[in-house]
Amino acid sequence: QVQLQQSGTELVKPASSVKISCKASGYTFTSNYMHWIRQQPGNGLEWIGWIYPGNGNTKYNQKFDGKATLTADKSSSTAYMQLSSLTSEDSAVYFCAMPRVSGDGFAYWGQGTLVTVSS
Amino acid sequence: DIRMTQSPASLSASLGETVNIECLASEDIYSDLAWYQQKPGKSPQLLIYNANSLQNGVPSRFSGSGSGTQYSLKINSLQSEDVATYFCQQYNNYPNTFGAGTKLELK
Repeated sequence: QVQLQQSGTELVKPASSVKISCKASGYTFTSNYMHWIRQQPGNGLEWIGWIYPGNGNTKYNQKFDGKATLTADKSSSTAYMQLSSLTSEDSAVYFCAMPRVSGDGFAYWGQGTLVTVSS
Repeated sequence: DIRMTQSPASLSASLGETVNIECLASEDIYSDLAWYQQKPGKSPQLLIYNANSLQNGVPSRFSGSGSGTQYSLKINSLQSEDVATYFCQQYNNYPNTFGAGTKLELK
């Protein structure tokens, strides 16, 4: 069965960067889009972007251009998101998620990674 | 960006009751709409996709309807395990956008 296993909680300092991971299993990693979604404390969900691991193509929400960088390692079936120039506004839970089929609802989710930005 | 206006923001209902949650898109999204359930500390779970298709394993008391800009999620015969926050999401256009959520509690 499809599983998305994310890396653990991060406590990072303002102005630094953090890279979180999402290890996929149970399907062909290169054949589906991997999306990333942010949920700030007490807030709703924001779509950050996707990467297609088969060719490395990416698409970002303009709001996260320059903030998030998506990459994927086919050899380990792992997707990554690097967040840069962190501020307290970036404190949130970040999810990786995969659609049921391309361009569809997200049927598969990682467990979420909590990123806390604090000095 | 397409704005998704979800209502109500919170809802209190009794066991066995029928509940309706609405989502209004700022433009036509051609039924490219999903509904999710999220419980505290957990990831969202897909309930409905393509506005009215029930995701595998989701109880049949959940149903979705709508077209154009107006969509709704209906929960028949409310159960205690349905206490959660519910979100709609459009995937017709980038960026994908979500409603602000409806928090469902038991009366």
